Amino acid sequence: EAEVAQSPRYKITEKSQAVAFWCDPISGHATLYWYRQILGQGPELLVQFQDESVVDDSQLPKDRFSAERLKGVDSTLKIQPAELGDSAMYLCASSFQQGVSYNEQFFGPGTRLTVL
Amino acid sequence: AQSVTQLGSHVSVSEGALVLLRCNYSSSVPPYLFWYVQYPNQGLQLLLKYTTGATLVKGINGFEAEFKKSETSFHLTKPSAHMSDAAEYFCAVSGGSQGNLIFGKGTKLSVKP
Repeated sequence: EAEVAQSPRYKITEKSQAVAFWCDPISGHATLYWYRQILGQGPELLVQFQDESVVDDSQLPKDRFSAERLKGVDSTLKIQPAELGDSAMYLCASSFQQGVSYNEQFFGPGTRLTVL
Repeated sequence: AQSVTQLGSHVSVSEGALVLLRCNYSSSVPPYLFWYVQYPNQGLQLLLKYTTGATLVKGINGFEAEFKKSETSFHLTKPSAHMSDAAEYFCAVSGGSQGNLIFGKGTKLSVKP
């Protein structure tokens, strides 16, 4: 069964350091999402890609976060510098088609980030 | 703007008892509604979704939910809880042009033996 892959699963870093997370969506899925899930809360969208283009990054803290999906397949989310408040689970999801609100989003296992 | 409210951050039931997790939504457009389950340190898995048509939706693992437009609700139920149902459950709404999901804060379900 096709799955969304993410790595690493766990990351511990010190504040002011740079971190990067990787996501490989299900093959053929054009839309890719990065969510942040703070402990005890629901996921919140950070950025959405359609192929290689960003279609929504309104909630991405652009002073320290960046995301790319250069070839429209896998994606990298970077934080530089990390702050204590960035400790959270970072989830990647993909779906087959953009702009179809009833499309299921398939989630990866997430990367749990701890900033010390 | 869309939003989701899940009533009760923590629900505890006995094994074999009815499970009822509450979800109310707000949406300015016809909503598509979802329930996801999350086990510890894992991603989210879709339980069921409502798009159009029948308002009673059946999902995996014996769960079902009923869309009630007049009450703006989409409560999740399961007739008989199993120990393996212990997890966190998220209700979500989608209706924007980009297909974004707006999640509730989640309800943690505990199942007592």
